[in-house]
Amino acid sequence: ELKVEQNPLFLSMQEGKNYTIYCNYSTTSDRLYWYRQDPGKSLESLFVLLSNGAVKQEGRLMASLDTKARLSTLHITAAVHDLSATYFCAVNAGGTSYGKLTFGQGTILTVHP
Amino acid sequence: DTAVSQTPKYLVTQMGNDKSIKCEQNLGHDTMYWYKQDSKKFLKIMFSYNNKELIINETVPNRFSPKSPDKAHLNLHINSLELGDSAVYFCASSQVKGIGWATNEKLFFGSGTQLSVL
Repeated sequence: ELKVEQNPLFLSMQEGKNYTIYCNYSTTSDRLYWYRQDPGKSLESLFVLLSNGAVKQEGRLMASLDTKARLSTLHITAAVHDLSATYFCAVNAGGTSYGKLTFGQGTILTVHP
Repeated sequence: DTAVSQTPKYLVTQMGNDKSIKCEQNLGHDTMYWYKQDSKKFLKIMFSYNNKELIINETVPNRFSPKSPDKAHLNLHINSLELGDSAVYFCASSQVKGIGWATNEKLFFGSGTQLSVL
């Protein structure tokens, strides 16, 4: 059974600081997704990583994928308050599983002034 | 225009009742899903449909029955509601092309339905 683990689960940061959220998964996959969820809201897609070594950046967020290590990272640069949210990574087992994503537990990020 | 819309947003009901949640997507996607998010924010897939055909049916009680009248709609009917059914239910859609994968088959989620069973 595919397991996806994120750490840390809670992250309190000061504005302007950098930090990394880690996502480990247990079985082979070359498709990894990062989502953002604001309190009481839906999930918004941030990144889709489709191959080993993939790196994508959007604003202060950068995501990478190492399929050999079964690890993805979400790096936050110079955090701002607007980044406060819950971040989920999700892995697709592939094949004909038609979007069956297994999600990590989520990382609750709070950015303080 | 909302891409994936679900109704109702909030649903409060008594144990034993039957209720439905509706979902519609206007993205032209061929695959739709129901995910459940529990009180600890853990998300788990329940069902997926591809062109009205049931593809994924996770270990979900028979009291939950999805229905897809067409590929733009996927409704969720729940019979004999129990306290443990309280959660947020998210509908989602994506475009999946054949057995191989499209390069960007990310899921688009609806805003969620918060179900509270009393």
